Amino acid sequence: ELKVEQNPLFLSMQEGKNYTIYCNYSTTSDRLYWYRQDPGKSLESLFVLLSNGAVKQEGRLMASLDTKARLSTLHITAAVHDLSATYFCASKEGAGGTSYGKLTFGQGTILTVHP
Amino acid sequence: DTEVTQTPKHLVMGMTNKKSLKCEQHMGHRAMYWYKQKAKKPPELMFVYSYEKLSINESVPSRFSPECPNSSLLNLHLHALQPEDSALYLCASSLQTGRSEKLFFGSGTQLSVL
Repeated sequence: ELKVEQNPLFLSMQEGKNYTIYCNYSTTSDRLYWYRQDPGKSLESLFVLLSNGAVKQEGRLMASLDTKARLSTLHITAAVHDLSATYFCASKEGAGGTSYGKLTFGQGTILTVHP
Repeated sequence: DTEVTQTPKHLVMGMTNKKSLKCEQHMGHRAMYWYKQKAKKPPELMFVYSYEKLSINESVPSRFSPECPNSSLLNLHLHALQPEDSALYLCASSLQTGRSEKLFFGSGTQLSVL
Protein backbone atom coordinates (compact mmCIF):
# COMPACT_ATOMS: atom_id res chain seq x y z
CA GLU A 1 0.00 0.00 0.00
CA LEU A 2 1.33 3.39 -0.99
CA LYS A 3 2.23 5.67 1.92
CA VAL A 4 3.16 9.32 1.54
CA GLU A 5 4.93 11.25 4.28
CA GLN A 6 5.73 14.92 4.47
CA ASN A 7 8.01 16.87 6.70
CA PRO A 8 7.92 19.14 8.40
CA LEU A 9 4.24 19.11 9.35
CA PHE A 10 4.44 22.66 10.67
CA LEU A 11 6.66 25.38 9.26
CA SER A 12 6.93 28.91 10.56
CA MET A 13 8.99 31.13 8.31
CA GLN A 14 10.03 34.74 8.20
CA GLU A 15 9.31 36.71 5.10
CA GLY A 16 12.25 36.72 2.73
CA LYS A 17 13.65 33.38 3.89
CA ASN A 18 14.01 30.15 1.94
CA TYR A 19 12.85 26.71 3.00
CA THR A 20 12.09 23.25 1.65
CA ILE A 21 9.24 20.84 2.30
CA TYR A 22 10.03 17.17 1.79
CA CYS A 23 7.73 14.43 0.55
CA ASN A 24 8.68 10.76 0.72
CA TYR A 25 6.58 7.95 -0.70
CA SER A 26 6.81 4.26 -0.03
CA THR A 27 6.38 2.38 -3.28
CA THR A 28 7.41 2.73 -6.87
CA SER A 29 5.76 5.79 -8.34
CA ASP A 30 6.62 8.28 -11.04
CA ARG A 31 3.70 10.61 -10.47
CA LEU A 32 3.80 13.27 -7.82
CA TYR A 33 1.38 16.11 -7.25
CA TRP A 34 1.55 19.20 -5.07
CA TYR A 35 -1.57 20.98 -3.87
CA ARG A 36 -2.20 24.09 -1.82
CA GLN A 37 -5.16 24.50 0.52
CA ASP A 38 -6.22 27.70 2.27
CA PRO A 39 -8.27 27.33 5.48
CA GLY A 40 -11.83 26.20 4.75
CA LYS A 41 -11.13 26.16 1.04
CA SER A 42 -10.59 23.56 -1.64
CA LEU A 43 -7.34 22.21 -3.02
CA GLU A 44 -5.53 24.12 -5.71
CA SER A 45 -3.20 22.18 -7.98
CA LEU A 46 0.32 23.59 -7.94
CA PHE A 47 2.51 21.10 -9.78
CA VAL A 48 2.29 17.74 -11.51
CA LEU A 49 5.63 15.94 -11.75
CA LEU A 50 5.57 13.07 -14.21
CA SER A 51 9.11 11.74 -14.47
CA ASN A 52 12.38 11.30 -12.64
CA GLY A 53 14.31 14.54 -12.51
CA ALA A 54 11.27 16.67 -13.29
CA VAL A 55 11.54 20.22 -12.01
CA LYS A 56 8.79 22.81 -12.21
CA GLN A 57 8.71 26.39 -11.02
CA GLU A 58 5.93 28.88 -10.50
CA GLY A 59 6.75 32.17 -8.86
CA ARG A 60 8.47 31.56 -5.52
CA LEU A 61 7.74 27.82 -5.53
CA MET A 62 9.82 25.14 -7.19
CA ALA A 63 9.06 21.41 -7.10
CA SER A 64 11.29 18.51 -8.04
CA LEU A 65 11.03 14.74 -8.21
CA ASP A 66 13.65 12.04 -7.62
CA THR A 67 11.98 8.69 -8.25
CA LYS A 68 15.07 6.71 -7.28
CA ALA A 69 15.09 8.26 -3.82
CA ARG A 70 11.24 8.30 -3.78
CA LEU A 71 11.47 11.94 -2.81
CA SER A 72 9.88 15.15 -3.95
CA THR A 73 10.72 18.60 -2.65
CA LEU A 74 8.84 21.87 -2.66
CA HIS A 75 11.27 24.76 -2.32
CA ILE A 76 10.09 28.17 -1.22
CA THR A 77 12.22 31.14 -2.18
CA ALA A 78 11.99 34.52 -0.41
CA ALA A 79 8.72 33.67 1.32
CA VAL A 80 5.88 36.19 1.44
CA HIS A 81 2.80 36.20 3.67
CA ASP A 82 0.52 35.18 0.79
CA LEU A 83 2.20 31.78 0.72
CA SER A 84 0.74 30.91 4.13
CA ALA A 85 -1.42 27.80 3.57
CA THR A 86 -1.34 24.02 3.93
CA TYR A 87 0.65 22.22 1.26
CA PHE A 88 -0.05 18.61 0.37
CA CYS A 89 1.93 16.26 -1.77
CA ALA A 90 0.17 13.27 -3.26
CA SER A 91 1.10 10.28 -5.35
CA LYS A 92 -0.39 7.43 -7.30
CA GLU A 93 0.98 3.90 -7.45
CA GLY A 94 3.49 3.17 -10.16
CA ALA A 95 4.08 0.28 -12.52
CA GLY A 96 2.17 -2.82 -11.52
CA GLY A 97 -0.06 -0.92 -9.12
CA THR A 98 -3.78 -0.57 -9.43
CA SER A 99 -4.06 3.16 -9.86
CA TYR A 100 -7.61 3.78 -11.07
CA GLY A 101 -7.24 7.37 -10.01
CA LYS A 102 -6.55 6.79 -6.34
CA LEU A 103 -4.50 9.71 -5.13
CA THR A 104 -2.84 9.18 -1.74
CA PHE A 105 -2.03 12.36 0.14
CA GLY A 106 0.70 13.20 2.60
CA GLN A 107 -0.30 14.60 6.00
CA GLY A 108 0.12 18.18 4.83
CA THR A 109 2.54 20.91 5.87
CA ILE A 110 1.00 23.96 7.54
CA LEU A 111 3.10 26.91 6.43
CA THR A 112 2.91 30.24 8.22
CA VAL A 113 4.95 33.17 6.94
CA HIS A 114 5.58 35.97 9.43
CA PRO A 115 6.60 39.56 8.66
CA ASP B 1 -15.06 26.43 -17.89
CA THR B 2 -12.44 24.85 -15.62
CA GLU B 3 -14.53 24.59 -12.50
CA VAL B 4 -15.96 21.86 -10.39
CA THR B 5 -19.08 23.23 -8.70
CA GLN B 6 -20.39 21.78 -5.46
CA THR B 7 -23.66 22.53 -3.68
CA PRO B 8 -24.51 23.26 -1.01
CA LYS B 9 -21.43 24.93 0.47
CA HIS B 10 -22.60 24.26 4.02
CA LEU B 11 -25.02 21.66 5.35
CA VAL B 12 -26.27 20.94 8.84
CA MET B 13 -28.30 17.79 9.29
CA GLY B 14 -29.67 15.62 12.02
CA MET B 15 -28.89 11.94 12.31
CA THR B 16 -32.30 10.96 10.95
CA ASN B 17 -32.25 13.28 7.95
CA LYS B 18 -31.72 12.41 4.31
CA LYS B 19 -29.78 14.90 2.22
CA SER B 20 -27.75 14.97 -0.97
CA LEU B 21 -24.55 16.66 -2.01
CA LYS B 22 -24.22 17.67 -5.64
CA CYS B 23 -21.21 18.11 -7.88
CA GLU B 24 -21.07 19.32 -11.47
CA GLN B 25 -18.34 19.82 -14.05
CA HIS B 26 -18.45 20.79 -17.71
CA MET B 27 -14.84 20.10 -18.67
CA GLY B 28 -15.65 16.84 -20.44
CA HIS B 29 -13.98 14.87 -17.67
CA ARG B 30 -14.95 11.21 -17.48
CA ALA B 31 -13.62 10.50 -13.98
CA MET B 32 -15.23 11.93 -10.87
CA TYR B 33 -14.36 11.46 -7.22
CA TRP B 34 -15.63 12.00 -3.71
CA TYR B 35 -13.12 12.75 -0.97
CA LYS B 36 -13.72 13.31 2.73
CA GLN B 37 -11.49 15.65 4.70
CA LYS B 38 -11.51 16.05 8.46
CA ALA B 39 -10.07 19.21 9.98
CA LYS B 40 -6.27 19.43 9.74
CA LYS B 41 -6.08 16.07 7.95
CA PRO B 42 -5.43 15.14 4.33
CA PRO B 43 -8.32 14.24 2.02
CA GLU B 44 -9.30 10.59 2.00
CA LEU B 45 -10.76 8.93 -1.07
CA MET B 46 -14.31 7.62 -0.79
CA PHE B 47 -15.49 6.80 -4.31
CA VAL B 48 -14.29 6.94 -7.89
CA TYR B 49 -16.52 6.94 -10.95
CA SER B 50 -15.07 6.27 -14.36
CA TYR B 51 -17.30 6.73 -17.40
CA GLU B 52 -20.31 6.90 -15.06
CA LYS B 53 -19.53 3.54 -13.49
CA LEU B 54 -18.41 3.11 -9.91
CA SER B 55 -14.83 1.85 -10.07
CA ILE B 56 -13.63 2.31 -6.49
CA ASN B 57 -15.49 2.20 -3.20
CA GLU B 58 -13.01 2.59 -0.36
CA SER B 59 -15.10 0.51 2.06
CA VAL B 60 -17.36 3.47 2.75
CA PRO B 61 -20.36 2.80 5.05
CA SER B 62 -23.67 2.33 3.25
CA ARG B 63 -25.09 5.48 4.82
CA PHE B 64 -23.15 7.21 2.02
CA SER B 65 -24.57 6.39 -1.39
CA PRO B 66 -22.96 7.82 -4.54
CA GLU B 67 -24.73 8.32 -7.82
CA CYS B 68 -23.50 9.44 -11.21
CA PRO B 69 -26.56 10.30 -13.35
CA ASN B 70 -24.44 11.45 -16.31
CA SER B 71 -20.90 12.38 -17.19
CA SER B 72 -21.23 15.90 -15.76
CA LEU B 73 -22.97 15.18 -12.49
CA LEU B 74 -22.06 13.37 -9.32
CA ASN B 75 -24.24 13.10 -6.25
CA LEU B 76 -23.62 11.82 -2.75
CA HIS B 77 -26.77 10.76 -0.92
CA LEU B 78 -26.59 10.88 2.86
CA HIS B 79 -28.83 8.98 5.28
CA ALA B 80 -28.64 8.24 8.98
CA LEU B 81 -25.25 9.88 9.38
CA GLN B 82 -23.30 9.98 12.61
CA PRO B 83 -21.68 13.03 14.23
CA GLU B 84 -18.25 11.64 13.30
CA ASP B 85 -19.23 12.03 9.64
CA SER B 86 -18.96 15.78 10.03
CA ALA B 87 -16.24 16.87 7.61
CA LEU B 88 -15.50 18.74 4.40
CA TYR B 89 -16.67 16.69 1.43
CA LEU B 90 -14.73 17.39 -1.72
CA CYS B 91 -15.68 16.45 -5.24
CA ALA B 92 -13.01 16.23 -7.91
CA SER B 93 -12.79 15.38 -11.58
CA SER B 94 -10.11 14.45 -14.07
CA LEU B 95 -10.04 13.73 -17.76
CA GLN B 96 -9.75 10.03 -17.03
CA THR B 97 -8.46 7.92 -14.15
CA GLY B 98 -4.98 7.50 -15.60
CA ARG B 99 -1.92 8.02 -13.46
CA SER B 100 -0.90 11.24 -15.17
CA GLU B 101 -4.24 12.94 -14.80
CA LYS B 102 -4.48 16.00 -12.62
CA LEU B 103 -7.51 16.22 -10.36
CA PHE B 104 -9.54 19.41 -10.25
CA PHE B 105 -11.25 19.90 -6.91
CA GLY B 106 -14.48 21.68 -6.10
CA SER B 107 -14.75 24.09 -3.18
CA GLY B 108 -16.37 21.44 -1.00
CA THR B 109 -19.42 21.03 1.19
CA GLN B 110 -18.82 21.58 4.89
CA LEU B 111 -21.11 19.06 6.58
CA SER B 112 -22.12 19.12 10.23
CA VAL B 113 -24.11 16.22 11.66
CA LEU B 114 -25.90 16.98 14.91
